[in-house]
Amino acid sequence: KNQVEQSPQSLIILEGKNCTLQCNYTVSPFSNLRWYKQDTGRGPVSLTIMTFSENTKSNGRYTATLDADTKQSSLHITASQLSDSASYICVVSSTSGAGSYQLTFGKGTKLSVIP
Amino acid sequence: SQTIHQWPATLVQPVGSPLSLECTVEGTSNPNLYWYRQAAGRGLQLLFYSVGIGQISSEVPQNLSASRPQDRQFILSSKKLLLSDSGFYLCAWSPGMYEQYFGPGTRLTVT
Repeated sequence: KNQVEQSPQSLIILEGKNCTLQCNYTVSPFSNLRWYKQDTGRGPVSLTIMTFSENTKSNGRYTATLDADTKQSSLHITASQLSDSASYICVVSSTSGAGSYQLTFGKGTKLSVIP
Repeated sequence: SQTIHQWPATLVQPVGSPLSLECTVEGTSNPNLYWYRQAAGRGLQLLFYSVGIGQISSEVPQNLSASRPQDRQFILSSKKLLLSDSGFYLCAWSPGMYEQYFGPGTRLTVT
């Protein structure tokens, strides 16, 4: 069964500090992995998308890593800001031979950045 | 550029009443369309997806249904709401396999 596990479930950090969120998956066959940011009461917004051959991708202060061998990904946030307070969702896509694909969602990590 | 709209933004409905949530996409054609539900403290749950007009696939059997009357319109409906239908409903579209773009969501409270 395809699964995506995120940790920690929630995290509180001081403004300006760095943090790292984890995503472990058991999805096969792997197609790509995405990180989304979801502000409270809003729809998720894509931060990064990584395919099998990519092991690092940055988007401003967000840097995602992917280790396809260990099936782990991390999202590192540098110099956190109050606006980084949100839920961060890891989503892994798998494809079938028929050209269709399936998305498996993690439950998210809720990040709170405090002044 | 493409945009996705959902309405209403919030909705409070009594148990047993009908439901109709609408999603429209602008700036693209023949998108894949999705309906998700996000219950409090839980991850996103895919409810329905559509690859074309009149083509609906259901992921979770329940008292909800979906329709796609036009290329860029996706509707989520129910004839009789249950308390368990409360949640945050998200519509999304994708041009293919590698990205999904989410709408602003509808907060549904069934009382």
